[in-house]
Amino acid sequence: SQQGEEDPQALSIQEGENATMNCSYKTSINNLQWYRQNSGRGLVHLILIRSNEREKHSGRLRVTLDTSKKSSSLLITASRAADTASYFCASYSGGGADGLTFGKGTHLIIQP
Amino acid sequence: NAGVTQTPKFQVLKTGQSMTLQCAQDMNHNSMYWYRQDPGMGLRLIYYSASEGTTDKGEVPNGYNVSRLNKREFSLRLESAAPSQTSVYFCASTRRGVSDRVVADTQYFGPGTRLTVL
Repeated sequence: SQQGEEDPQALSIQEGENATMNCSYKTSINNLQWYRQNSGRGLVHLILIRSNEREKHSGRLRVTLDTSKKSSSLLITASRAADTASYFCASYSGGGADGLTFGKGTHLIIQP
Repeated sequence: NAGVTQTPKFQVLKTGQSMTLQCAQDMNHNSMYWYRQDPGMGLRLIYYSASEGTTDKGEVPNGYNVSRLNKREFSLRLESAAPSQTSVYFCASTRRGVSDRVVADTQYFGPGTRLTVL
């Protein structure tokens, strides 16, 4: 079953504004990752945050992790039209299956 | 360095037909994965291979078989396709192997195969 749930399902903002997406998960994790998917393309890794980390930055991306609430957020600052894509969180539990458990994604549209 | 490649990009099958989706990576990664993505859903794991010679079931393995042909290649086979298998299939790889089960590395994805079963 799907573990992650992103919120909101869709988000439309003006170029230059900040975009925040949230992700919740159900079981204990080893790490949580965020991926971007442009329309009709494969997924591209953005950032990984480990369970013992609370915040991580990469360029215009900021990710937070709250293991007590089983939630994470992705902030994209100073958005650009090229940021238009679907964003997925994916959790790794470190259990028997080595694969990631993905949420349903947030579709972000940046209006020029 | 092509990364992860998948063939074919598009395929239309009739119910009951069989086909094999091919995946190859040139990054010397140990682990490889097959996911499917349905509209409005995230990716769901079908099968994975933590190292050459091993394969394991994921969340939705029914109706599929896999082969880890060598370290580079991991194929997904549909023996008797059903309309419920209409989906976009993604192959991915990661450096970590069976001896590194504690932490999952970044996964690198192929461009996907869009499969329609009529």
